[in-house]
Amino acid sequence: DTEVTQTPKHLVMGMTNKKSLKCEQHMGHRAMYWYKQKAKKPPELMFVYSYEKLSINESVPSRFSPECPNSSLLNLHLHALQPEDSALYLCASSVPGQSSYEQYFGPGTRLTVT
Amino acid sequence: KNQVEQSPQSLIILEGKNCTLQCNYTVSPFSNLRWYKQDTGRGPVSLTIMTFSENTKSNGRYTATLDADTKQSSLHITASQLSDSASYICVVTPATNKLIFGTGTLLAVQP
Repeated sequence: DTEVTQTPKHLVMGMTNKKSLKCEQHMGHRAMYWYKQKAKKPPELMFVYSYEKLSINESVPSRFSPECPNSSLLNLHLHALQPEDSALYLCASSVPGQSSYEQYFGPGTRLTVT
Repeated sequence: KNQVEQSPQSLIILEGKNCTLQCNYTVSPFSNLRWYKQDTGRGPVSLTIMTFSENTKSNGRYTATLDADTKQSSLHITASQLSDSASYICVVTPATNKLIFGTGTLLAVQP
């Protein structure tokens, strides 16, 4: 199984809402990533978890809060977002530590903030 | 500054034709170079991955080449199909392990 799943596929939320994005993989990968991708732009790294611990935070605003409850799951909690946060949010996973290892991407969650 | 630039920005070709996409990078040292295919609104899917010591890597109708001396890579697509319509992203991994994404080439294959 080389699949990374993400839910929901689409999410529309107001600026006062609290919502969560979920990501799951069963490949035994111990590194998981959140990326943000705006239209016609490359993905931008947000967070990296390695062995369930946050290892990289790319200066992401605190209205985005990641969580890695176990080795298969990665969440992104959203609160008080701005319209400019509307984007495709991608989750990825890989074997940690070696840059030669493949990153497997999920299909993404299309987020619209109204 | 580590950069990955791709050309052309967009490309339209007829079904059955071949095409070549270009990637120039300034990342040094680097561990590997990858080509991803991304359908609109979907996550990137890996096509090829090459280390600095590899010159070419094939995956079906996709063939990637790498010239580490000139810091250039190309992705050649043979006998294009309508399903090849997508964005193609060149990604370079420097020694820091953080992926550096190119801006992508948007390919449209028309019947």
